[in-house]
Amino acid sequence: AQSVAQPEDQVNVAEGNPLTVKCTYSVSGNPYLFWYVQYPNRGLQFLLKYITGDNLVKGSYGFEAEFNKSQTSFHLKKPSALVSDSALYFCAVREDTGRRALTFGSGTRLQVQP
Amino acid sequence: EAGVAQSPRYKIIEKRQSVAFWCNPISGHATLYWYQQILGQGPKLLIQFQNNGVVDDSQLPKDRFSAERLKGVDSTLKIQPAKLEDSAVYLCASTALPGGMNTGELFFGEGSRLTVL
Repeated sequence: AQSVAQPEDQVNVAEGNPLTVKCTYSVSGNPYLFWYVQYPNRGLQFLLKYITGDNLVKGSYGFEAEFNKSQTSFHLKKPSALVSDSALYFCAVREDTGRRALTFGSGTRLQVQP
Repeated sequence: EAGVAQSPRYKIIEKRQSVAFWCNPISGHATLYWYQQILGQGPKLLIQFQNNGVVDDSQLPKDRFSAERLKGVDSTLKIQPAKLEDSAVYLCASTALPGGMNTGELFFGEGSRLTVL
């Protein structure tokens, strides 16, 4: 079985400050991990993924995420938040074998204040 | 490159009525997914197709939901009869690689929002 937990329903941060959106996962084997962003009345957009290799992955719009196998975490980060980053963020996971689809977390709403 | 197309964008029906949603994936994408996103929750997989075959429909409520992808291109998701708890956004996604080789991202449509009264 595979699952994702996003412990924070909402994260508030001031513009220009660093942001972190937390994600922990559970899979039987090795994980493939993803972050998606959803703007109002829009579909999900891909931000970044971890498949293998370097634990720090960089993605779109200046976002990055750090894979930590011992803590089974994949937190999303950005050094300096923008008001336009305000959106709903979803972490997703799938096992590295088989043909299973992505399992998504419940989402974290990021609010960046000017 | 055209994205994933979905229609209708919005639908309001009474309970016990039927509804159908249509999805046209990105050209050439072999794998197509339907997800249900209830307000305040993350997307939940309903069904996964590879070409015109079903890979996973274990979470599809088969007593009322059905889906098909007859020619391996576009797909239709039907609900009959609808219940109040079916109110949600139905998201279609596609990816180029066959499911077993899929390490890449999913491309999502904008979704079809269903309200059941």
